[in-house]
Amino acid sequence: EVQLVESGGGLVQPGGSLRLSCAASGFTFTNYAMNWVRQAPGKGLEWVSGIGNNGVRTYYADSVKGRFTISRDNSKNTLYLQMNSLRAEDTALYYCAPLNSADYWGQGTLVTVSS
Amino acid sequence: DIQMTQSPSSLSASVGDRVTITCRASQGISSGLAWYQQKPGKAPKSLISAASSLQSGVPSRFSGSGSGTDFTLTISSLQPEDFATYYCQQYNTYPPSFGGGTKVEMK
Repeated sequence: EVQLVESGGGLVQPGGSLRLSCAASGFTFTNYAMNWVRQAPGKGLEWVSGIGNNGVRTYYADSVKGRFTISRDNSKNTLYLQMNSLRAEDTALYYCAPLNSADYWGQGTLVTVSS
Repeated sequence: DIQMTQSPSSLSASVGDRVTITCRASQGISSGLAWYQQKPGKAPKSLISAASSLQSGVPSRFSGSGSGTDFTLTISSLQPEDFATYYCQQYNTYPPSFGGGTKVEMK
């Protein structure tokens, strides 16, 4: 059974940091580029960041460039998102997903940025 | 970056209706377009890839068409389980981008 389990979300003050994790199982993680997609409360989907299957190439939305860092550990089948200098507008449910190469999604982890 | 514009943003329809949602890309994306369905509290589910290829297990009442900049998702006969929000997403060019969504509500 394919599983993507996101974790690491929580309440953080503006300017703070969080590290999200996404543990993958049930498929060959190393075969897939991976992405983080977020959804603010009551809003639409927004692509945040992507990483190639070997971790060499990384991509970021302009809204998070310079603040967020995506990485992966293929030996642990885990995707990460280091989020620094968090802003209120980063408040969202964060999903990890291969996106267009396979329809696998986790349940998301909620990040709330508020004082 | 490519902007994806969906219309309408919401619609009201009845069971059995034919429903059409459109998605326009700010520049040509060939057939690099996917459609997703999302229900409240759930992750998105892929319906269609490559503009018109139905994902495995998706009912045949869903269909997609278009290429270049203009795309359409059609539900031929709306069923109770189809009330949801639908998103288009282009993946032809990085960064990938989503449309704003279309909420299909019960009339």
